[in-house]
Amino acid sequence: QQPVQSPQAVILREGEDAVINCSSSKALYSVHWYRQKHGEAPVFLMILLKGGEQKGHEKISASFNEKKQQSSLYLTASQLSYSGTYFCGTEILGNSWGKLQFGAGTQVVVTP
Amino acid sequence: GAVVSQHPSRVICKSGTSVKIECRSLDFQATTMFWYRQFPKQSLMLMATSNEGSKATYEQGVEKDKFLINHASLTLSTLTVTSAHPEDSSFYICSAREARGAKNIQYFGAGTRLSVL
Repeated sequence: QQPVQSPQAVILREGEDAVINCSSSKALYSVHWYRQKHGEAPVFLMILLKGGEQKGHEKISASFNEKKQQSSLYLTASQLSYSGTYFCGTEILGNSWGKLQFGAGTQVVVTP
Repeated sequence: GAVVSQHPSRVICKSGTSVKIECRSLDFQATTMFWYRQFPKQSLMLMATSNEGSKATYEQGVEKDKFLINHASLTLSTLTVTSAHPEDSSFYICSAREARGAKNIQYFGAGTRLSVL
């Protein structure tokens, strides 16, 4: 049930762009994206419901294709502060309580 | 934004003792809270779903008697690791669900690093 994230890691220079993908084998109600820095709690970035594309949180945006059960997170003009591990959390259609299953994470390193 | 407080941030205990971790939603009411466990450089593993006023729902493979969860109010859930052993050493994180219309958003506490000697 755990969603599959790719790539596992990406190294960027400041100003470069990157895409992180998240796919599920289950029909999804929503996809959530979080960023976690070392030793800290995950920080909520955004939530996408069916048919949603959302822009928010610095120059980070995401899309959600509910037919393919896939979501992508776009890091645009990356900044040093973007470094961290990004997790997607998927909420399966029909589940109760808003339970999320998290992907393995994508480690992002932004260098000067 | 919504704030979730988790306490303590770090605890070191002897094998066989019990440890209680508190999770509080500070500026919203959370009928549902979640408890996760995270190993180094790994993902968040859901341990249990905690609903206010009812018994927690545990994920497969999680021992109910080992990890006691109590959700006594709309702002507080506690996780007690009973008779802790070194293999229970881990990073435990709670989250509280804020329902905004059709959106269920989880906000995380800062985590508790448990070390069992």
